[in-house]
Parts: sequence; C-alpha cells; structure tokens
Amino acid sequence: RKEVEQDPGPFNVPEGATVAFNCTYSNSASQSFFWYRQDCRKEPKLLMSVYSSGNEDGRFTAQLNRASQYISLLIRDSKLSDSATYLCVVNDDYKLSFGAGTTVTVRA
Amino acid sequence: GAVVSQHPSRVICKSGTSVKIECRSLDFQATTMFWYRQFPKQSLMLMATSNEGSKATYEQGVEKDKFLINHASLTLSTLTVTSAHPEDSSFYICSASLTRKETQYFGPGTRLLVL
Repeated sequence: RKEVEQDPGPFNVPEGATVAFNCTYSNSASQSFFWYRQDCRKEPKLLMSVYSSGNEDGRFTAQLNRASQYISLLIRDSKLSDSATYLCVVNDDYKLSFGAGTTVTVRA
Repeated sequence: GAVVSQHPSRVICKSGTSVKIECRSLDFQATTMFWYRQFPKQSLMLMATSNEGSKATYEQGVEKDKFLINHASLTLSTLTVTSAHPEDSSFYICSASLTRKETQYFGPGTRLLVL
C-alpha cells in the first residue's frame, strides 16, 4: 500500500468554480501535513501546511481528519493560474512522503 | 525564502557514462540535503538523506554504489549516477534544510535522459 494516495484526476473546471480533492495516508503516527503545487516539469513548491483545526490561505482551504487519515484541499473561485498538479505530502519523522498528485486544469 | 540551485538543469548522456548533479544552498547553510527522484506521473521518491561531513543514508531499494552522494560542505551536495542506464532516466530533485527537522527548500530539478 502506498504511503500517500491521491486521486490523480484530472479535474477540469471553469474559471470561478470550486474544486476539492482528498488524499489518504497510511501512517497514523504521521506528524505534519502539507499541500505542495507542482507545475509541469518544475520542482514542487509549498502551497500550505495543514493544521488539525483546518486552515485557510486566501482561496485555499485545507482540512485534516486524523481519525480517517485523510487530508483535503479546496480551491474557491478558481483562476487559470491554479492549473497545476497538487501534491499531498506527509511528514513522517522528518521524512517527506509525497502523493503522486492531483491534476487540476482551470479553463477559461 | 531560501534558494537552492541545481546544476545541470538537463543532461543527456550515453548508457554507461557517469553523471554528476550538484545541489547548492545559495543563501543558507544546509546541514541536511535530500535527494529525490520522480518518474513521469509518479510521486517524488526519497532516495537518500545526506548530512554534511557524514555518509548519506539511503532509502530501501536505492543502490548506494550506483548513486554516490557527497555532502562535503554546508552549501553543496552532489549526486553521481554511475554507469547510467536508460532506466535511470528521471527527474532528480534535491532539497536542503538547516537541519533535518527544518523546512526543506527544493532545487529546480535536473532532468536526466540516458540514451
């Protein structure tokens, strides 16, 4: 079983739409969680950390459900520039485990 | 934020040759550097963790004699893919952090194609 699993998508949405997706992780002892964004052929870049109480950063909202071991990301009012692959990342003893990513395409 | 560079950004080589990839932290001293590999449509996979001045710790299934890592200074780590083969073609990404527990800053990656 993979440590971090994500729906690969793609999610094709119009500008202005809301899109949400989850990831699940296998290690219940995982300590911290992140969403990264990766553009085509580029390195991953930190989008936001995910806190137990849920957190927002502008149009992005992240939730963590430790009991069910899943993390979610919601993007409101999608922009063309949000088109990317979103990586779910779990920190296990300071080693990062990456999901394969969920691809989001925002169309005009 | 902290800046990490990698060189080269892209390399094409013949099967059997060795390729060296450099990872540099430009504006901070990185005690720990990490090397990842990403195949198309797959997740980044940690290959090894290197600490300045000591031997790298390799993940299970990664051949230490094939992927030589040197972290001789606080700003430079190198990954040498020895006797590269087509199956080694991948996107190699490094990250650097002040210590193992701190935030990792990623380099821009090196795309390796072995013919």
